[in-house]
Amino acid sequence: DAGITQSPRHKVTETGTPVTLRCHQTENHRYMYWYRQDPGHGLRLIHYSYGVKDTDKGEVSDGYSVSRSKTEDFLLTLESATSSQTSVYFCAISPTGQDTEAFFGQGTRLTVV
Amino acid sequence: SQQGEEDPQALSIQEGENATMNCSYKTSINNLQWYRQNSGRGLVHLILIRSNEREKHSGRLRVTLDTSKKSSSLLITASRAADTASYFCATVGKGAQKLVFGQGTRLTINP
Repeated sequence: DAGITQSPRHKVTETGTPVTLRCHQTENHRYMYWYRQDPGHGLRLIHYSYGVKDTDKGEVSDGYSVSRSKTEDFLLTLESATSSQTSVYFCAISPTGQDTEAFFGQGTRLTVV
Repeated sequence: SQQGEEDPQALSIQEGENATMNCSYKTSINNLQWYRQNSGRGLVHLILIRSNEREKHSGRLRVTLDTSKKSSSLLITASRAADTASYFCATVGKGAQKLVFGQGTRLTINP
């Protein structure tokens, strides 16, 4: 299995609080991605990174920010959690981002109450 | 909006039968990939087909790509109970560096 770890695996938080999810990789892959998965929507891209300090928005980036200060870590922050952000969040990594497969973490189940 | 749309959304067949899932997409692609997700788990890569390829095989999997119709199909032959999972197609657009997923097909193999 690709060395990719998400933490925490489960979290319950209150509306309005900030939340940070962590993705850690040991593969030295350049590209890292954050997706959310909701019933009926498949996986939707939130943000991605193509290098240290290089990030870009995906299709559902509102209410989320990311940071990548080193190759191995990609952080996703919900600035002020809302119930609509209750979801399962997946991190993925890829060596090239274009013509190779992506490797996924096991997911973080986030519930905002 | 998402790039890929999959059909059917759910498929239930008997063990030993073949399963076919279809994926349509909207824009020009660099490649198309298929992933499997077991319940409550992360996605696992199955196969990648490039835009200049028409067919690819991997074990019991056969993927076709028709760029003129912007569609792909995944065939699983001689299905097994362990094939029960959700299957997703994902595309990488030309010049892009990100995967865009469809909504998935939920496959159930009945013993």
